[in-house]
Amino acid sequence: DVVMTQSPLSLPVTLGQPASISCRSSQSLVHSDGNTYLNWFQQRPGQSPRRLIYKVSNRDSGVPDRFSGSGSGTDFTLKISRVEAEDVAVYYCMQGIHWPWTFGQGTKVEIK
Amino acid sequence: EVQVVESGGGLVQPGESLRLSCAASGFTFNNYWMTWVRQAPGKGLEWVASVNHDGSEKYYVDSVKGQFTISRDNAQNSLYLQMSSLRAEDTAVYYCARHPAPGTVDCWGQGTLVTVSS
Repeated sequence: DVVMTQSPLSLPVTLGQPASISCRSSQSLVHSDGNTYLNWFQQRPGQSPRRLIYKVSNRDSGVPDRFSGSGSGTDFTLKISRVEAEDVAVYYCMQGIHWPWTFGQGTKVEIK
Repeated sequence: EVQVVESGGGLVQPGESLRLSCAASGFTFNNYWMTWVRQAPGKGLEWVASVNHDGSEKYYVDSVKGQFTISRDNAQNSLYLQMSSLRAEDTAVYYCARHPAPGTVDCWGQGTLVTVSS
């Protein structure tokens, strides 16, 4: 199975400051169709997960542009340019190319 | 509005069976792959199973192979997860989600809690 490793697992951030989460996969996530199937999800306390980013860097409708995804191959990053209070959540990366699909362990973003 | 609503969770004893349902609305159900994901209390997300448009292709995480069966009824716009021989480690909130495109899921429901305990 593809192992997805996130770091850090806990990220205290000052309001208005940037935050960055790393996600590394144990195998390449580049499909033969040329796409890279790496997703980012946000799960706020007490809520269901919500997709933020798909195919590495495509933001979902309604997702603030302070969220951005980047990376290639096996190394990916989710960045929040200026953290707001509503960004307190656990963030998960997930690969959707190799069965079984797998998630990272989750990174908890909290306000310092 | 695109929506999925899970149901069927509850408290069961070890070794018992349970069937979860997911009712879809607001989109053409038979055009989409569907997935179940679970989350044990206080833990992260775990992909459980996926099924293609017509139910002819199914994929499972190793830990539930032979124990869980994913299925769908396109006429009823419904997704199912038949769970048997339940164990304490199957205790989790179970979410269903839609595949809007290859390699991704969106439109998560609120989840249904399954508790396996004597």
